[in-house]
Amino acid sequence: EVQLVESGGGLVQPGGSLRLSCAVSGFTFSDHYMDWVRQAPGKGLEWVGRSRNKANSYSTEYAASVKGRFTISRDDSKNSLYLQMNSLKTEDTAVYHCVRVVQVAGHYTMDVWGPGTTVTVSS
Amino acid sequence: DIQMTQSPSSLSAFVGDRVTITCRASQDISKYLAWFQQKPGKAPKSLIYAASSLQSGVPSKFSGSGSGTDFTLTISSLQPEDFATYYCQHYKSYPLTFGQGTRLEIK
Repeated sequence: EVQLVESGGGLVQPGGSLRLSCAVSGFTFSDHYMDWVRQAPGKGLEWVGRSRNKANSYSTEYAASVKGRFTISRDDSKNSLYLQMNSLKTEDTAVYHCVRVVQVAGHYTMDVWGPGTTVTVSS
Repeated sequence: DIQMTQSPSSLSAFVGDRVTITCRASQDISKYLAWFQQKPGKAPKSLIYAASSLQSGVPSKFSGSGSGTDFTLTISSLQPEDFATYYCQHYKSYPLTFGQGTRLEIK
């Protein structure tokens, strides 16, 4: 069974840092692109960023709202994805989901979502 | 950035009804469109990719259509478990963006 489990969320002050982790199982992690998607309280879904796989040099993409502050990394030996969040702002308060990306006939699409971890940025 | 606009923002329907949700992209995205379902307090669930292809395990009561800028999600024979919020999302280019969501409620 494919599973993704996020951890590392919590309460942090504005300007602070936090590192989220996503532990995966049930599939070959190293083959897949992975995304982070967040949802602020009572709001819609917002894509945060993407990590490509080793075959694509682990390159990354980011939303403009987090670029330069957030960094996505991964450790294929540990089947884990990470989101390092620096210079946090109150507007970063959200549930953060780790999402598997699958490639089907040229379409790179999200298919399995983790339950999420809650980040609250507040003084 | 490509903007995704869903309509309606909310919708009420009876059990057994057939409903359609529309998603419009601000520019041509070919068929690079996905649909997701989210229930309160839960992670989103992937329903459709490539505008009309069902994700594994998704029942055929869900169907998607469209290409270019205009897309639809149709749900037939609504059951209580179908009442949720639905999001479209494009993946034509970065940044990936979602529609604002359509809340489907029981009438």
